[in-house]
Amino acid sequence: AQSVTQLGSHVSVSEGALVLLRCNYSSSVPPYLFWYVQYPNQGLQLLLKYTSAATLVKGINGFEAEFKKSETSFHLTKPSAHMSDAAEYFCAVKEDTSNTGKLIFGQGTTLQVKP
Amino acid sequence: GAVVSQHPSRVICKSGTSVKIECRSLDFQATTMFWYRQFPKQSLMLMATSNEGSKATYEQGVEKDKFLINHASLTLSTLTVTSAHPEDSSFYICSVGLGPRQFFGPGTRLTVL
Repeated sequence: AQSVTQLGSHVSVSEGALVLLRCNYSSSVPPYLFWYVQYPNQGLQLLLKYTSAATLVKGINGFEAEFKKSETSFHLTKPSAHMSDAAEYFCAVKEDTSNTGKLIFGQGTTLQVKP
Repeated sequence: GAVVSQHPSRVICKSGTSVKIECRSLDFQATTMFWYRQFPKQSLMLMATSNEGSKATYEQGVEKDKFLINHASLTLSTLTVTSAHPEDSSFYICSVGLGPRQFFGPGTRLTVL
């Protein structure tokens, strides 16, 4: 069965510092992996996705993630944090890439950006 | 992509009443829709998979008689929270699958007094 683990429920960085949010997955087949961001009282916004093409995926707002099969990881990074990056971040995995496939979420990581 | 809407965006009800939440796929015919629930400061938990023209598939631990799902058309799925109680207060989000991606509605905030 597929699952996702996000290490660190809360990450705090200073403005301008590197952002690293960790995600490890478990899947019986090559997975599709996603990072979403959620601002307070809002829905989900897709940051980026890995769909078996390039292992280094670039997303919106300067974020990127690298798929490492050997480590079963898909960590999210951003070189320089902005105050506006403060939000909740969710990693998600999908094994079945058909329209009926389930998307399973990690526990989420709250990113705090200090001035 | 697919555009997904939800109605209402926010609802407050009294304990014991039933509340219906609609999820619409505006530009895509969806045979399958998904319903998630998100408690404050927590992640999204998949509640059920809504199947057009047939019964929904519920995740373990989700009461099918309490959370009634109807997917009568290719563009509309409804979730009815029956006899709602304060512990049902949550953020309910639906989504539509399109290939490897899922497209999410904006969510419905349910508050049960």
